[in-house]
Amino acid sequence: QKEVEQNSGPLSVPEGAIASLNCTYSDRGSQSFFWYRQYSGKSPELIMSIYSNGDKEDGRFTAQLNKASQYVSLLIRDSQPSDSATYLCAVNWYGNKLVFGAGTILRVKS
Amino acid sequence: DGGITQSPKYLFRKEGQNVTLSCEQNLNHDAMYWYRQDPGQGLRLIYYSQIVNDFQKGDIAEGYSVSREKKESFPLTVTSAQKNPTAFYLCASSPGQGGPRYGYTFGSGTRLTVV
Repeated sequence: QKEVEQNSGPLSVPEGAIASLNCTYSDRGSQSFFWYRQYSGKSPELIMSIYSNGDKEDGRFTAQLNKASQYVSLLIRDSQPSDSATYLCAVNWYGNKLVFGAGTILRVKS
Repeated sequence: DGGITQSPKYLFRKEGQNVTLSCEQNLNHDAMYWYRQDPGQGLRLIYYSQIVNDFQKGDIAEGYSVSREKKESFPLTVTSAQKNPTAFYLCASSPGQGGPRYGYTFGSGTRLTVV
């Protein structure tokens, strides 16, 4: 059974701080890694994808991948109250579907 | 604009009743998926389809059925055999080649409640 694990939170950070969200996965054969943001009552929205070891930056978001440690993270710099949401980690193996973690609730306090 | 349309947004089901959730996409994606999300839980895969007239069971297919007669459409029927259907249902799609390597696009979801 392929698994994706996330700390459920909530993770509380002050406005302007860096929020760090973590995800581990069970299978070394994983190919593609995604972070989705989901606001309460809404559907998930893709915010970052990463395919190779290292960092990938997009605006205030940085995704980090370490395949040896089976670990992927998302950093949000200059956190804003509008970043308050649930963040879902998703992983694709050599297949045709994604496996999702249960999500981490982020709360940014102004 | 391209996207995925789910309808209805809210649906109420009586005990013993079958209901059908609609999912239509105009992204020209080959693959389509149905997920269920319960409060505080992640997304669980119900069914998926990679090509017209073909679909596979996901992790929690019991009590559900699907069809894929057109590339654009992937309706989900929640049958009376599904004993706990109250949940948020999400439809998604991805390009055929490379599939989920590029992530999914999600519809806006249908919230189903048993009354």
